[in-house]
Amino acid sequence: EAQVTQNPRYLITVTGKKLTVTCSQNMNHEYMSWYRQDPGLGLRQIYYSMNVEVTDKGDVPEGYKVSRKEKRNFPLILESPSPNQTSLYFCASSLWGRDNSPLHFGNGTRLTVT
Amino acid sequence: KNQVEQSPQSLIILEGKNCTLQCNYTVSPFSNLRWYKQDTGRGPVSLTIMTFSENTKSNGRYTATLDADTKQSSLHITASQLSDSASYICVVSVNQAGTALIFGKGTTLSVSS
Repeated sequence: EAQVTQNPRYLITVTGKKLTVTCSQNMNHEYMSWYRQDPGLGLRQIYYSMNVEVTDKGDVPEGYKVSRKEKRNFPLILESPSPNQTSLYFCASSLWGRDNSPLHFGNGTRLTVT
Repeated sequence: KNQVEQSPQSLIILEGKNCTLQCNYTVSPFSNLRWYKQDTGRGPVSLTIMTFSENTKSNGRYTATLDADTKQSSLHITASQLSDSASYICVVSVNQAGTALIFGKGTTLSVSS
């Protein structure tokens, strides 16, 4: 089944403790992206990648890191999480350079930083 | 500033009724407009994608319209079902690759029996 898989689904951590949220897709998509979703603010892009070893900042990249060493994986790293990073996070992927290719989203990771 | 505004913010309708959700955008350049459905606790799922040359696109009971002149889109849901209860998100793409997306904040639809 074609899908984007995020892990974990729920994560509670403390301020300053490094964490990684994994994202994997099995559709051979070039493009992958991370978003955070907060009440009243909608989805906001954190980082995106157009292919292996190619990443770029989105609208809210501060406090986050990403890497794209393999085409299928795009982990999100929080080196020193803070309470304002408590949010619902989504990974998404799509074909790149193709007209009208829809984004395929994972089912989200709900992160709480205390 | 590129913006996508959706209305209403929330809506409650009875099962079996029709409804229309609105999306106005001020995005330039414009490549395409997308509607996504997001069930509670799940990731958004694509419903339709329309380029500026397309006026209407359907996906089952969902019909999206686009007026590129007035920069307005609507999503019409026919014969609503309980499973239509979700948030509906309008997204405008600045480029064909879809790597520069402007998201609306969504309309929350509740369908009651």
